[in-house]
Order: sequence, then structure tokens, then C-alpha cells
Amino acid sequence: GAVVSQHPSWVICKSGTSVKIECRSLDFQATTMFWYRQFPKQSLMLMATSNEGSKATYEQGVEKDKFLINHASLTLSTLTVTSAHPEDSSFYICSASGGLAGVNEQFFGPGTRLTVL
Amino acid sequence: AQSVTQLDSHVSVSEGTPVLLRCNYSSSYSPSLFWYVQHPNKGLQLLLKYTSAATLVKGINGFEAEFKKSETSFHLTKPSAHMSDAAEYFCVVSDNRGGMDTGRRALTFGSGTRLQVQP
Repeated sequence: GAVVSQHPSWVICKSGTSVKIECRSLDFQATTMFWYRQFPKQSLMLMATSNEGSKATYEQGVEKDKFLINHASLTLSTLTVTSAHPEDSSFYICSASGGLAGVNEQFFGPGTRLTVL
Repeated sequence: AQSVTQLDSHVSVSEGTPVLLRCNYSSSYSPSLFWYVQHPNKGLQLLLKYTSAATLVKGINGFEAEFKKSETSFHLTKPSAHMSDAAEYFCVVSDNRGGMDTGRRALTFGSGTRLQVQP
């Protein structure tokens, strides 16, 4: 299947700093990318949907000014957590779909664990 | 609106015995249904999917699931558990609103079922 990578796999930062997480589709063009967050022992919650070249669509309750999403190319989407606080500590997972590989399926990255001190 | 209920947060079976992970869904439109598995420190992997074709869906690693519209269920089964099956399993639904390609629709995840396999 198609491969999606995320970088970094884990990050620790101080409260008040910003953190950028990258999501890349390695062998297909991702016209649509999704960002999820997963708290410990909980399910994945969709944060936002982004289509290449368009502004992201955020789910209700997700602050667009805090979680900045950029999908500037068909292989890369970034999530920037601005002014991070301890409550933002979570597991962030992206998925991608597009092209022949992703018409009927989303392919998930391995996730990024963010810890805010 | 769509939702998924996974009826068991934790299931424990012995190696070689059958596995049953239960899932009920709710969707205002014709749903697509998926089962994903999440191993520690690994990305989510698709086990199988139902997208309005055959109601009995066969997936990877010997798993299968049956779509039962009358019961709004999509339970995951496997005849014989293996130690490597121990993981977190998610039942997922997306609806067919607007005729969008399945891959582009938002997914709603269930709360997950942790499968433990005893030797």
C-alpha cells in the first residue's frame, strides 16, 4: 500500500513554544490530508481536513489559530501547534488520500507524540 | 451525523481460539465501514473495508467482518487468534454524503478495543 511518513516521531517542547509536524505521502500524490489527535487510551478525533492548495476545514471545537495547517504541495502537509501548552500534549496522526492509491482509502502515518512541559 | 460504538473496550482470548470484536454504527447516509488495527509505535493499518458490495468482507491476516444493516453492526471475527494479533482495533465509519470518493471522506472512529492474546 501507499506510504505516509511523519516527522518528527516524537517531540518535547517548553510551554509557549511552537512545534511543526510534517506529514508526507512518499509514493503517491495526496490531494486530501487529514489530521487527527489521540489522547492516551482514547480514540482518534479528527481535527481538520485539508485539500491541496486550499484552506483547511476544521472540526468544531478545534482552534484554527492554534493548530495551523498548511497543505502547499501534493506530498506535504504541516501542522503547527502554536504557543503550545501541556494540554496540547497528545499523539498527532495524519492520513492522506489521493491518486489511484487513495481513491477509496486513507493511508495513515505512524504518528507524532508531542509532550509539552 | 455518524457514530460508532465498540461494545468492548478490552477483549482477552487464548491463542488458537476465535476472536469477536463487536461494533455498531449509526449513519444518516449509506455508510462505508472499516476496521483498523494499531500496534504500539506503528501507524494504523487497514484490516478490511465495506463499501456497499458484498456484506461479508474478508481482510488481511485471516480477519473478516459482516455488514448487517438490520442490526447496524459490523463485527470483526477471526477463527483462530495468534499472539501477533494483540493490538488496539478501531471500527470506523464514513458516510456517502455527496458521493465523494471514500478516501476523501472524514472518518469517525470508535473508542477502540484492546485485544489481548494469552499463550
